[in-house]
Amino acid sequence: DAKTTQPPSMDCAEGRAANLPCNHSTISGNEYVYWYRQIHSQGPQYIIHGLKNNETNEMASLIITEDRKSSTLILPHATLRDTAVYYCIVSPYNDYKLSFGAGTTVTVRA
Amino acid sequence: DGGITQSPKYLFRKEGQNVTLSCEQNLNHDAMYWYRQDPGQGLRLIYYSQIVNDFQKGDIAEGYSVSREKKESFPLTVTSAQKNPTAFYLCATLDGDSLGYTFGSGTRLTVV
Repeated sequence: DAKTTQPPSMDCAEGRAANLPCNHSTISGNEYVYWYRQIHSQGPQYIIHGLKNNETNEMASLIITEDRKSSTLILPHATLRDTAVYYCIVSPYNDYKLSFGAGTTVTVRA
Repeated sequence: DGGITQSPKYLFRKEGQNVTLSCEQNLNHDAMYWYRQDPGQGLRLIYYSQIVNDFQKGDIAEGYSVSREKKESFPLTVTSAQKNPTAFYLCATLDGDSLGYTFGSGTRLTVV
């Protein structure tokens, strides 16, 4: 049973911000939101994770709504190299297992 | 590859043969994982190991076997019992402090 819902695909213009939505309406209080991305034929790459506060690192920002039922991953200035499948995952802190769904295929266009 | 080496990158197997995929890590991470990915699909967990000499089945363990004799190594054997083994196989480790996975570059297995 899927814990997250993501759009199957989206396009973004190079240099613009890419906003990737994720719904996780059944998230539990001890579950984190994780984002990974997978460039074609490579292993997934960790991007960011958060519990309830917004988070930012060198790759992206994660905005989690106050009720924690949805989140948005923001790539501030998308480049062609950001073209990938992006996975939103929710999981407890100590679960040691993440379930990867189909994700969102993001295509950055020049 | 973040300190994870998967070999070989491409592997061809005849039907009815067992084949072992290698995964070695130098990250000193305790937990290791094997995932399978089919074209256009997400990742599905085959087996995982949280410590040496211990491992658990994931969601699709049938037809696969693993061992964890050393912290650095977590080989996956695809047996002849696996009905549809052609897929992209990914090995990963988990950093217990940061909760982030590191993935290898994968092995693409094709049954011919």
